[in-house]
Amino acid sequence: GESVGLHLPTLSVQEGDNSIINCAYSNSASDYFIWYKQESGKGPQFIIDIRSNMDKRQGQRVTVLLNKTVKHLSLQIAATQPGDSAVYFCAEKAGGYQKVTFGTGTKLQVIP
Amino acid sequence: NAGVMQNPRHLVRRRGQEARLRCSPMKGHSHVYWYRQLPEEGLKFMVYLQKENIIDESGMPKERFSAEFPKEGPSILRIQQVVRGDSAAYFCASSPSDQLPIGYTFGSGTRLTVV
Repeated sequence: GESVGLHLPTLSVQEGDNSIINCAYSNSASDYFIWYKQESGKGPQFIIDIRSNMDKRQGQRVTVLLNKTVKHLSLQIAATQPGDSAVYFCAEKAGGYQKVTFGTGTKLQVIP
Repeated sequence: NAGVMQNPRHLVRRRGQEARLRCSPMKGHSHVYWYRQLPEEGLKFMVYLQKENIIDESGMPKERFSAEFPKEGPSILRIQQVVRGDSAAYFCASSPSDQLPIGYTFGSGTRLTVV
């Protein structure tokens, strides 16, 4: 479901540690998923995507895992840096064009 | 190559006034999406447009809100007779196609405050 007017969940990690951000998605028909990073005052920035026929995809310092059985998505960030501090959103797509549904978001705070 | 340009960055309107938000897509992009973001929340889809056509407006409130993407010029999101609940950040994203992978580029948004 959607949270309205609630504070974002926050994940605090030490610089250099790995971060894992989780997301539960809602639509079993979703066939494509994206993780976005949003810094204060800016628009969302694409991080990594994954199609529903995959269960893992790796990028530079980031890995996305998809578990369709339980409708769960996670973003792993290796060796977290202060510049990774932001709000992270998962988004899902179901349908024939590029309209996506965003999750609630998780605020990542990196402790130097 | 300039990114998606939105203006104004900040807009203050009194209740009952009109707000016009502009979005210039990236060069070569003919697909525009508008999203609204309330504080501490994710973005909510509003409308999807191609040049001169509204493809999906299922996220738009039925009254007071309208969007266009003319053959020439930016896409415009128009909110008539604004109310306090319209205060939010409005983002547009542009894409070169409607196929995967999603090639969205978001603008920096317009932050609307209704006083």
